[in-house]
Amino acid sequence: EPEVTQTPSHQVTQMGQEVILRCVPISNHLYFYWYRQILGQKVEFLVSFYNNEISEKSEIFDDQFSVERPDGSNFTLKIRSTKLEDSAMYFCASSPTSGGGGANVLTFGAGSRLTVL
Amino acid sequence: AQKVTQAQTEISVVEKEDVTLDCVYETRDTTYYLFWYKQPPSGELVFLIRRNSFDEQNEISGRYSWNFQKSTSSFNFTITASQVVDSAVYFCALFAFTGGGNKLTFGTGTQLKVEL
Repeated sequence: EPEVTQTPSHQVTQMGQEVILRCVPISNHLYFYWYRQILGQKVEFLVSFYNNEISEKSEIFDDQFSVERPDGSNFTLKIRSTKLEDSAMYFCASSPTSGGGGANVLTFGAGSRLTVL
Repeated sequence: AQKVTQAQTEISVVEKEDVTLDCVYETRDTTYYLFWYKQPPSGELVFLIRRNSFDEQNEISGRYSWNFQKSTSSFNFTITASQVVDSAVYFCALFAFTGGGNKLTFGTGTQLKVEL
């Protein structure tokens, strides 16, 4: 079964450092997403991406965050200068489209745990 | 705006008991989708079910069943004859097309503990 792959599974970084989280979505999917889950809390939407541009972002997704699809397969989340409160599990997801029918089931990756010290 | 409420923070049951996880949602959309995801201790999010707003038929899949009631804006999830492997956090989520935009809105999750 196709899956979304995320790397690294766990990253520890110092406050102020830049972090890049990588994702390989399912190959025929067109919509890509990043979600975040602070430990013990709910899963929160960060950003959605379609046709090489952001289609929507939340208030959490401030100027410290950016996303990119540098080639045909990877989808990255960059945090420019990490803060303690960025410590969380970051989930990448993809879907064939965002529309109706059977298409808007998001397939999530296993997550990348970011720990900021 | 979209909102999903899972009032039960944690539920503990003994194996073989039935358990129902509650989910109440809010949306102004007439077309929307409801989901349940399972998050086992390993941390990944596992898709369980999707239901669209026009299909109120209840669904059963093995030991899992879902009761969608538009009149009360609820989409409850029942596990019959629970097993230890069912121990996980379960999230209800809502996908709508306007107001909420192009994203899933998750509830806060219900931690289910199934003990021997």
